[in-house]
Amino acid sequence: AQTVTQSQPEMSVQEAETVTLSCTYDTSESDYYLFWYKQPPSRQMILVIRQEAYKQQNATENRFSVNFQKAAKSFSLKISDSQLGDAAMYFCAYRYSGAGSYQLTFGKGTKLSVIP
Amino acid sequence: SAVISQKPSRDICQRGTSLTIQCQVDSQVTMMFWYRQQPGQSLTLIATANQGSEATYESGFVIDKFPISRPNLTFSTLTVSNMSPEDSSIYLCSATPRGRNTEAFFGQGTRLTVV
Repeated sequence: AQTVTQSQPEMSVQEAETVTLSCTYDTSESDYYLFWYKQPPSRQMILVIRQEAYKQQNATENRFSVNFQKAAKSFSLKISDSQLGDAAMYFCAYRYSGAGSYQLTFGKGTKLSVIP
Repeated sequence: SAVISQKPSRDICQRGTSLTIQCQVDSQVTMMFWYRQQPGQSLTLIATANQGSEATYESGFVIDKFPISRPNLTFSTLTVSNMSPEDSSIYLCSATPRGRNTEAFFGQGTRLTVV
């Protein structure tokens, strides 16, 4: 079974600074997707960034980027120029890319606080 | 992106009663999922709602407790039956759009409190 581990229950960052959230996962599959989701107090799960395992290039979305290390099964999220609106729970998630496999396995989350 | 509307957004229910949560997607989707998020915890998959067939439940979840319907490609319901305080959680609907199966979108969740 796949597992996703987020070892940092809470993190804080000064506004405009950079923070990195850690995620490791365990799988025997070679093709899969990894995601970072953001959940603000509104409860809405918002997709931040996605990485396909077959791509060596790290995904980037504006201020958000990942460091994907497939051999180490590591998938960290870097938030640059942190903003107050970035404060939320962040969940790392895994999904096998095989046909018909759409369910996500989530880590326990990291609560990010942004200090003005 | 797919827009998912989930109702109700919150409810307070008496133990022993049942609550049905509705999930409406603004486009046809391949798969729909129901997750539970207990207070301060991560998301746990309850079941996959299949169109035209019975839902597929994860270990620890049973149809008698969490009956699910999916009458068409844009709508699903989850019922929490015979509720107890342990059922107090956020319940989230998720869907994977047709042709975009690398992404999953979520509703805003239903915060359920059982008293």
